[in-house]
Amino acid sequence: SAVISQKPSRDICQRGTSLTIQCQVDSQVTMMFWYRQQPGQSLTLIATANQGSEATYESGFVIDKFPISRPNLTFSTLTVSNMSPEDSSIYLCSVFLQTGLGYGYTFGSGTRLTVV
Amino acid sequence: GQQVMQIPQYQHVQEGEDFTTYCNSSTTLSNIQWYKQRPGGHPVFLIQLVKSGEVKKQKRLTFQFGEAKKNSSLHITATQTTDVGTYFCAPLISNYQLIWGAGTKLIIKP
Repeated sequence: SAVISQKPSRDICQRGTSLTIQCQVDSQVTMMFWYRQQPGQSLTLIATANQGSEATYESGFVIDKFPISRPNLTFSTLTVSNMSPEDSSIYLCSVFLQTGLGYGYTFGSGTRLTVV
Repeated sequence: GQQVMQIPQYQHVQEGEDFTTYCNSSTTLSNIQWYKQRPGGHPVFLIQLVKSGEVKKQKRLTFQFGEAKKNSSLHITATQTTDVGTYFCAPLISNYQLIWGAGTKLIIKP
């Protein structure tokens, strides 16, 4: 299965600023996925990032707020723009790959964001 | 849109007791996955169930997929402190898209 390096692991940011989260995968993948997980909640898909094309955003998420880059098959970034306290959450990148147990999601270790 | 109900939200058990979480859908599922998230950690893929009535075991964990493929369960026998975390069911609704259950948090009583 893949190994995903995600950084930063956590950050405390001032409202109105932006934070860019990076994810590096140790193998080439067609699609990378960005999730948000609010404290004590389940996971919500933000967008799917394909190399060479614009990301596909889920309902409730827009490109101006969460711009995504996908410059190659092993790397992606998610920016949380013009942050407010409501953006405080854990952000996770992931890939969907064959593992020894079948196809499943492998996640980065997450970015815990606090907006003050 | 398609939804899945996962219960209970929390389960408190004494170490050594069993734990079960249930996942129910109003529609037939083609595939259901289970994930575990330790406190402060990220979700980790545990298993995938595909066949009607399928039962898979991983040591003390038993995963079942209902005959009608509308429900699934995860049962842990004789819980240990290493089992603490939140368990999510997640039906696969396309080649790669999951619907995530709300999760069941396993808490071991001190």
